Amino acid sequence: EVQLVESGGGLVQPGGSLRLSCAASGFTFSNYAMSWVRQAPGKGLEWVSTISGSGDWTNYADSVKGRFTISRDNSKNTLYLQMDSLRAGDTAVHYCAQIGGYGSPPGSWGLGTLVTVSS
Amino acid sequence: EIVLTQSPATLSLSPGERATLSCRASQSVTNYLAWYQQKPGQAPRLLIYDASNRATGIPAKFSGSGSGTDFTLTISSLEPEDFAVYYCQQRSTWPLTFGQGTRLEI
Repeated sequence: EVQLVESGGGLVQPGGSLRLSCAASGFTFSNYAMSWVRQAPGKGLEWVSTISGSGDWTNYADSVKGRFTISRDNSKNTLYLQMDSLRAGDTAVHYCAQIGGYGSPPGSWGLGTLVTVSS
Repeated sequence: EIVLTQSPATLSLSPGERATLSCRASQSVTNYLAWYQQKPGQAPRLLIYDASNRATGIPAKFSGSGSGTDFTLTISSLEPEDFAVYYCQQRSTWPLTFGQGTRLEI
């Protein structure tokens, strides 16, 4: 059974940083592109970033480009999202998910971790 | 950016009825279109991928159709647990995009 478990969310001040992690199990992690998707309170789903299975290729939404960095450690089956220069508008539940890209099909989602940016 | 427009925004139906949800893309996504279900307080769940393929464990009452720019999710004979928000998503072109969602309510 595929499991994706996010951690690292919390309350941070504007301009601060946070690092999210997603521990994956139940599938061959390195074979799949992985993504971060976020959902602001009461709003719809917004794609944030995707990384290829090898980690060689990445892509970002314009809203986070230059501030967020996606990475992965295939030896640890873990996906990361380094979030810098955080803004109030980044407040959202952040999901680790398989939503396609780089030839990978869509699949499973984690339960999400809440990031709140507020002073 | 490919914009996905879902209609209607809200669909009010009764248990036992058939639901038809639409997703229209601003340009062709070939068949790289997925549908997700999200219930309150839960993560989205993949229902359909590549326009018409049911994900593992998804019952046959959920079906998807379409290609190019027009897609449909059909739920036959609604049950109480089917009332939720449904999103479409394309993986044809960067940036990956989602529709704004259709709320299916009793």
